[in-house]
Amino acid sequence: AQKVTQAQTEISVVEKEDVTLDCVYETRDTTYYLFWYKQPPSGELVFLIRRNSFDEQNEISGRYSWNFQKSTSSFNFTITASQVVDSAVYFCALRFTYKYIFGTGTRLKVLA
Amino acid sequence: ETGVTQSPTHLIKTRGQQVTLRCSSQSGHNTVSWYQQALGQGPQFIFQYYREEENGRGNFPPRFSGLQFPNYSSELNVNALELDDSALYLCASSLEGRSTDTQYFGPGTRLTVL
Repeated sequence: AQKVTQAQTEISVVEKEDVTLDCVYETRDTTYYLFWYKQPPSGELVFLIRRNSFDEQNEISGRYSWNFQKSTSSFNFTITASQVVDSAVYFCALRFTYKYIFGTGTRLKVLA
Repeated sequence: ETGVTQSPTHLIKTRGQQVTLRCSSQSGHNTVSWYQQALGQGPQFIFQYYREEENGRGNFPPRFSGLQFPNYSSELNVNALELDDSALYLCASSLEGRSTDTQYFGPGTRLTVL
């Protein structure tokens, strides 16, 4: 079965702290794609990153970084030096054929 | 912004009524997917349209139906509304219906069923 688990329902940090959002996935496919999306209060899902199963290289984009480990079926997301504008719900998703399977999301609150 | 637009922004209906939600894809995209997001949950896949044909469907009853037009805009229709249909409805467009394509989401339509 295809499944995405985001065990952290809500995280609160103080501005400038680093924070890691966890994502664990299940799939029997050998080729698959993983995604992270940000959902601010406005509701629109904002695409952050896509990673295919053949590329385990970690990626850094500004204050954002992603750690993909096939051995543990995890695709974790770290925000360095968090800012208030990072406050949102973050979703991890697994692409399965034509559809995305989303986790339940992690609400991040960054306090000033 | 993704270039994906949805209308209306908010909608209030009563049980048993019918509703139509609309989505305009990002320019050049011929695939549209619809998702339902209940409060506090992740989006759930409803169906996908590729070049005006339904390309796949999630676990939603037939009273959820859709259309895609030649300009690749799309509609989601829900008949016989139930209270549990209250949710944020998101559409997403992608370049083609391939598994490698990234889906870009619109701002959503928030439907309230009373």
